[in-house]
Amino acid sequence: DAKTTQPPSMDCAEGRAANLPCNHSTISGNEYVYWYRQIHSQGPQYIIHGLKNNETNEMASLIITEDRKSSTLILPHATLRDTAVYYCIVRAYGGATNKLIFGTGTLLAVQP
Amino acid sequence: DAGVTQSPTHLIKTRGQQVTLRCSPKSGHDTVSWYQQALGQGPQFIFQYYEEEERQRGNFPDRFSGHQFPNYSSELNVNALLLGDSALYLCASSLGFSGGPYEQYFGPGTRLTVT
Repeated sequence: DAKTTQPPSMDCAEGRAANLPCNHSTISGNEYVYWYRQIHSQGPQYIIHGLKNNETNEMASLIITEDRKSSTLILPHATLRDTAVYYCIVRAYGGATNKLIFGTGTLLAVQP
Repeated sequence: DAGVTQSPTHLIKTRGQQVTLRCSPKSGHDTVSWYQQALGQGPQFIFQYYEEEERQRGNFPDRFSGHQFPNYSSELNVNALLLGDSALYLCASSLGFSGGPYEQYFGPGTRLTVT
């Protein structure tokens, strides 16, 4: 699985959009970009995933660059409850590739 | 629709003892993965079970073993506990091992403290 690089921490004002970047320059053609978040002392929570097109769901939007070497997770209107560690994970699918390899993630602190 | 459940929530054991942690997957899921999360670090993959067999394994010693039952629930066993085994143990379930970008759903974890 490709390696990802994320900033260790970011701040965001409540009500503003939070844009979390992720670099994955060695991503392969069959690898998806996944985002999870982990609120303190809880299990990680799935947010969104994508292959090459931009994706949006009720939680967030995922923007993947055309060359697929980086992506941005967007929380459109951050709230205090969005304070968490956000993990960007690149993973292939098929066969014995279902494990998730977590890095250290980005600690997003939403400020009132 | 019940999510992933784990038991117990917290556990305190002594060095050298053995421990069993339990996980029930999300309804409809058939694949269970286990992760260890030390304080301040991201979760580390231990192993994954599908059709009652261990399908892949991370870099963990044989002291860590598991089992999956016909109802898809799973157990994680750790023998000869070390102080370094103190961590949050997470169970994740997903649908299908044969492929597809199936997301994993995590339980709340079991906090294991080894003294």
